[in-house]
Amino acid sequence: EDKVVQSPLSLVVHEGDTVTLNCSYEVTNFRSLLWYKQEKKAPTFLFMLTSSGIEKKSGRLSSILDKKELFSILNITATQTGDSAVYLCAVDGKGKLVFGKGMKLTVNP
Amino acid sequence: NAGVMQNPRHLVRRRGQEARLRCSPMKGHSHVYWYRQLPEEGLKFMVYLQKENIIDESGMPKERFSAEFPKEGPSILRIQQVVRGDSAAYFCASSSHLEYDEQFFGPGTRLTVL
Repeated sequence: EDKVVQSPLSLVVHEGDTVTLNCSYEVTNFRSLLWYKQEKKAPTFLFMLTSSGIEKKSGRLSSILDKKELFSILNITATQTGDSAVYLCAVDGKGKLVFGKGMKLTVNP
Repeated sequence: NAGVMQNPRHLVRRRGQEARLRCSPMKGHSHVYWYRQLPEEGLKFMVYLQKENIIDESGMPKERFSAEFPKEGPSILRIQQVVRGDSAAYFCASSSHLEYDEQFFGPGTRLTVL
């Protein structure tokens, strides 16, 4: 059965800290891995990764995929209170997304 | 450039009633996906549709649930004879026809069954 596992499941940090979110997966028919941010409403798209070793960056966020070891990490540097949210990792298995349970990040001032 | 639209945002039904959830994809998107999020759980895939076709319904319960995406109009997720366990947030996502295109999510419909 397809599986996506995120760790840790929750994290509390102070503003300015750097955090690393982990996502491992076992999915047949892998097409891509996606990261979303969810703040009590619709998940908002962050990154889509299809190739190993190529880092994607957007401001203070970056992500990379390792297709050999079947995992991805999402880094957030210089965290701000607005980064507080649930971060979802999902793998596209030919159309349908298989999600992890999410990682709840709390950034305290 | 409107995003994915879902309505209603909140829906309350009594046990045994029917629930109809609507989803209008982003402009130019022809693929629609429905996901369910139970309290304290991750999102679970339900069904993948293109216009007038169900592509993958492997995540849909076999009974009481159905989905359609007609040639004209929004996609509809229909739940007949709702039970308390159907209470959840139902999210719709859409993507373009490109093979590696990301899915964009709507705001969700929160269904509460009394």
